[in-house]
Amino acid sequence: DTGVSQDPRHKITKRGQNVTFRCDPISEHNRLYWYRQTLGQGPEFLTYFQNEAQLEKSRLLSDRFSAERPKGSFSTLEIQRTEQGDSAMYLCASSPPGLRTDTQYFGPGTRLTVL
Amino acid sequence: AQKITQTQPGMFVQEKEAVTLDCTYDTSDPSYGLFWYKQPSSGEMIFLIYQGSYDQQNATEGRYSLNFQKARKSANLVISASQLGDSAMYFCAMSLEYGNKLVFGAGTILRVKS
Repeated sequence: DTGVSQDPRHKITKRGQNVTFRCDPISEHNRLYWYRQTLGQGPEFLTYFQNEAQLEKSRLLSDRFSAERPKGSFSTLEIQRTEQGDSAMYLCASSPPGLRTDTQYFGPGTRLTVL
Repeated sequence: AQKITQTQPGMFVQEKEAVTLDCTYDTSDPSYGLFWYKQPSSGEMIFLIYQGSYDQQNATEGRYSLNFQKARKSANLVISASQLGDSAMYFCAMSLEYGNKLVFGAGTILRVKS
């Protein structure tokens, strides 16, 4: 039983470049979440998918951010025109069908550094 | 709105002793879930334990137990027989039945001394 996987694990980019991250949830999980975590803080919610539908987006998700889950399986998070303030750990989590209070299982994260 | 408060920025514990990490929460929703996650220096968030708001008994998972006091809105994590590998950041989090996200506290960094 494989867990949530994320790719890449680390990304260094120059300001103004676009980056894309991928998340593969646990296979039977229909819910997928993206969070952002800056140094010394707890993760903050970015967006949520149930199957392929994006049902909620945080105000943190500016117009430069877009997330997709085209077939209800893996998801991508794209950041356009990166800024230094985007440097953070981007965490993906998934949870099974059922109660919305069910446990979310996290992937290892993608650490983004914007120079 | 949901809020999680962890008032201990850092804690030290001697190996083999028990330690309690504090967490208080705020919500007006009657149905919610409370979680503790461990985040070692590698960065991965590891699920430890879950408590539902309607659960009558405190949750336990091996060396982890959750001291759930609903009236006081507290959900403290107790780690028994601490091990060096328990050194990490610990986050308390909450989800709502009618919500779509986890809300996290600021975390407590635990250091286990040999």
